[in-house]
Amino acid sequence: NAGVTQTPKFQVLKTGQSMTLQCAQDMNHNSMYWYRQDPGMGLRLIYYSASEGTTDKGEVPNGYNVSRLNKREFSLRLESAAPSQTSVYFCASSYDRDSEAFFGQGTRLTVV
Amino acid sequence: DQQVKQNSPSLSVQEGRISILNCDYTNSMFDYFLWYKKYPAEGPTFLISISSIKDKNEDGRFTVFLNKSAKHLSLHIVPSQPGDSAVYFCAVKPGNTGKLIFGQGTTLQVKP
Repeated sequence: NAGVTQTPKFQVLKTGQSMTLQCAQDMNHNSMYWYRQDPGMGLRLIYYSASEGTTDKGEVPNGYNVSRLNKREFSLRLESAAPSQTSVYFCASSYDRDSEAFFGQGTRLTVV
Repeated sequence: DQQVKQNSPSLSVQEGRISILNCDYTNSMFDYFLWYKKYPAEGPTFLISISSIKDKNEDGRFTVFLNKSAKHLSLHIVPSQPGDSAVYFCAVKPGNTGKLIFGQGTTLQVKP
């Protein structure tokens, strides 16, 4: 019962480097989301995918791109990392828009 | 502008007593509210929700109260247990997109 799996769990990047955060769910969920959590800010939505083949911007999309590779997988890419992108990133999925969201364990990213 | 606010960053209660966590929101159109619980190094997990057609929802030791006129909701935990020590996030799900808007979180410590 893996649920939502994120890789990697930790990453340190230098400013300007690129990387992709991977997320996969095995619950046959239609909707997937990427959030970031910063101290004192709660979780903020970066991008979401309501269904396979669609993606939309959330509250803080700048500096990120996403790919809904298939129904199971939703990746988040940082093309040129900046220190402001130091955060904990959470992927989530839900069966549909009305269902509760299940979260992965998070990826702690530090950009130096 | 923070649409969902949890004004108390932390709360400490004695085991067996009641914990009350508060949340305020700004938009009277919000109609679905949730509480998530988060342990360190884990993703948030869904705890309880309430629709705007209700003013109370109960699940075991957890009860959520909604005061629409005050745009305020609260989570009551009775009796509190040390295992309840975690960060609690209030969230709203606007419209039918599945997106969540989170508050900043309140860290609850339940002392034995």
